[in-house]
Amino acid sequence: GQNIDQPTEMTATEGAIVQINCTYQTSGFNGLFWYQQHAGEAPTFLSYNVLDGLEEKGRFSSFLSRSKGYSYLLLKELQMKDSASYLCAVQSGGYQKVTFGTGTKLQVIP
Amino acid sequence: GAVVSQHPSRVICKSGTSVKIECRSLDFQATTMFWYRQFPKQSLMLMATSNEGSKATYEQGVEKDKFLINHASLTLSTLTVTSAHPEDSSFYICSARPQPGTEIHEQYFGPGTRLTVT
Repeated sequence: GQNIDQPTEMTATEGAIVQINCTYQTSGFNGLFWYQQHAGEAPTFLSYNVLDGLEEKGRFSSFLSRSKGYSYLLLKELQMKDSASYLCAVQSGGYQKVTFGTGTKLQVIP
Repeated sequence: GAVVSQHPSRVICKSGTSVKIECRSLDFQATTMFWYRQFPKQSLMLMATSNEGSKATYEQGVEKDKFLINHASLTLSTLTVTSAHPEDSSFYICSARPQPGTEIHEQYFGPGTRLTVT
């Protein structure tokens, strides 16, 4: 089976930097996603890592270490609109199915 | 970008009835579609993987006779919740992956269907 862990909730200040960690255990690993989800809406794609290292995309960066089963999402220059749930998801197996972690609810405060 | 639609966006049904939810890829062909369920304040739980022209692969604990999945074409998959009960009330989301030949990690989500069973 798969086990994907994230902190349940985090709070950070507008303009600051926040790092959301994700650890996973899986077989047949093919890649790791980060999604953002606002309440009542479908997830929106943020990033995808398949190789070790840091992928930077604007204010968001994602890091992966396959040997450690570890990833993080880094959000810089936080804005109030960044308040949302952030979902770590692992892609695995022949059908490339994507399994989601529990999600981290981020609250950005003034 | 690629667009996936779901219909209906919201549905209310009575306990014991069946409800069909459609997932369509509008501008690409999807060999594989996934169905997820999300309860309030919880993450997405994969229910099944749907492949065009073959039987769906269900995750452990998901009743295949209750949640019927049909992937009849490369642009349409349907999920039918049979004999619905109040505990089936949830947010159902589909995602679709384009045919092989594109980036394998691409997966596009539909907007979701809110099912309420009374």
